Amino acid sequence: EIVLTQSPATLSLSPGERATLSCRASQSVSSYLAWYQQKPGQAPRLLIYGASNRATGIPARFSGSGSGTDFTLTISSLEPEDFAVYYCQQRSNWPLITFGQGTRLEIK
Amino acid sequence: EVQLVESGGGLVHPGGSLRLSCAASGFNFSRYNLNWVRQAPGKGLEWVSIMTFSSTTDYADSVRGRFTISRDNAKNSLFLQMTSLRAEDTAVYYCARDWAGRPLDYWGQGTLVTVSS
Repeated sequence: EIVLTQSPATLSLSPGERATLSCRASQSVSSYLAWYQQKPGQAPRLLIYGASNRATGIPARFSGSGSGTDFTLTISSLEPEDFAVYYCQQRSNWPLITFGQGTRLEIK
Repeated sequence: EVQLVESGGGLVHPGGSLRLSCAASGFNFSRYNLNWVRQAPGKGLEWVSIMTFSSTTDYADSVRGRFTISRDNAKNSLFLQMTSLRAEDTAVYYCARDWAGRPLDYWGQGTLVTVSS
C-alpha cells in the first residue's frame, strides 16, 4: 500500500502570506496526485489533479507541483476563506485510493 | 447541476446492518465510477469502495467481506450495504464520482453512521 505523508500537520499563517504544503509518497505515484480542501461540516472539494492541474473554478492562487514521490500545494496569497484542512490523494494503483492524513491551515 | 445526496445513516448496534443510498442527478450516471469515502469524527479521509461504470467493484481491506457496493443505473442510485458493523465504522460516509480513474470531482454532503451500544 502506498502511504502519503503530509507536512506540516498544522500550518499557522496570516492572510496575505504564502502557504506551502507538502505531500510525500512512500513510492512513486507518477503524477497521479490530487489535492482537496475541506472546511468544517463540508465535503472535500477537489483543488488540483494530475499534480498540477487546477480543477474547474479553482482560483489561480492555488498551484500544485511535483512528480514521483514529492509534491507541493502552494497558495500564493492567503484569503480568509482558504483556512481549512488540505488532503493529498493518490490513485496510481487503480482502483485503490489513499489519502494523506491532512494539513490544517489555521489563522495566525 | 451535479448533485449527490446520501441517505440512510443512523445509529446501529455493533454487529448490526445498515444500507446507505446515494441519489445522483445532473450528469450521465451510468458513465461514471462511483465511490464511498468515509471520515471518522475528527479524523481524516478513508476510501471505502468503488463500483465502476462497468460494474467492477473493489473494497478497502478494512471493510472487505462486510460491505457490499451496488448501483442502479435506471434510478441513478448508488448503495452501500454494511453488515457486521463495528465501532470503528462510525463515520460520515460520502459518495463521490470519478470519471475514467480521475480524482473525485463531486462529493455528496455525507451521511453519519454511528455504531454504538
